[in-house]
Amino acid sequence: DVQMTQSPSSLSASVGDRVTITCRASQKISTFLNWYQQKPGEAPKLLIYGASTLQSGVPPRFSGSGSETDFTLSISSLQPEDLATYYCQQSDSYPRTFGQGTKLEIK
Amino acid sequence: QVQLQQWGAGLVKPSETLSLTCAVSGGSFSAYHWSWFRQPPGKGLEWIGDVNRRGSTNYNPSLTSRVTISIDTSKDQFSLRVTSVTAADTAVYYCARGPTVADYWGQGTLVTVSS
Repeated sequence: DVQMTQSPSSLSASVGDRVTITCRASQKISTFLNWYQQKPGEAPKLLIYGASTLQSGVPPRFSGSGSETDFTLSISSLQPEDLATYYCQQSDSYPRTFGQGTKLEIK
Repeated sequence: QVQLQQWGAGLVKPSETLSLTCAVSGGSFSAYHWSWFRQPPGKGLEWIGDVNRRGSTNYNPSLTSRVTISIDTSKDQFSLRVTSVTAADTAVYYCARGPTVADYWGQGTLVTVSS
């Protein structure tokens, strides 16, 4: 199985800050990497797929980059509604696996 | 607009079988794979498995001996069964579209395993 490791596990930032979350795969996965946002009490929402393609309707302040083993999710200017937990997921091989999540709090 | 509506028993006794169904509307059901995920309370997401229109499945090896995912293309529905459940199977279960990118999700069903 491909292990996905996210850092940090939690993060506190102020409105307007630039925020970066990293995800590392235990083996090369090309760009088969997705990012999901999960707000409290809600189902996950797809933000980015293919490592860098923004899902339709997602604000452009979100961006993704990386390939093979190292990936990054960035929020250019943090907004109050970005309070959530963020998960990376690899879709290169079965079983599909997720990172442990990064809980983002607003200062 | 694609919508996934899921339902099933919210309380299951230990050693019994968990059963959930997900109905899809607003899209081309047969053109996609369909997946199940789960999330124990306060924990992260786990992929359970997926199914395509022909009924071919992929399962998480950690659950494969107890899990069955089936599909009914005549009703635009797919289902999950988990046998011999224990407290460790207590989780919110989600259905979703896609094996590679899960772009539409159901609302989630909390299933508690308890006597």
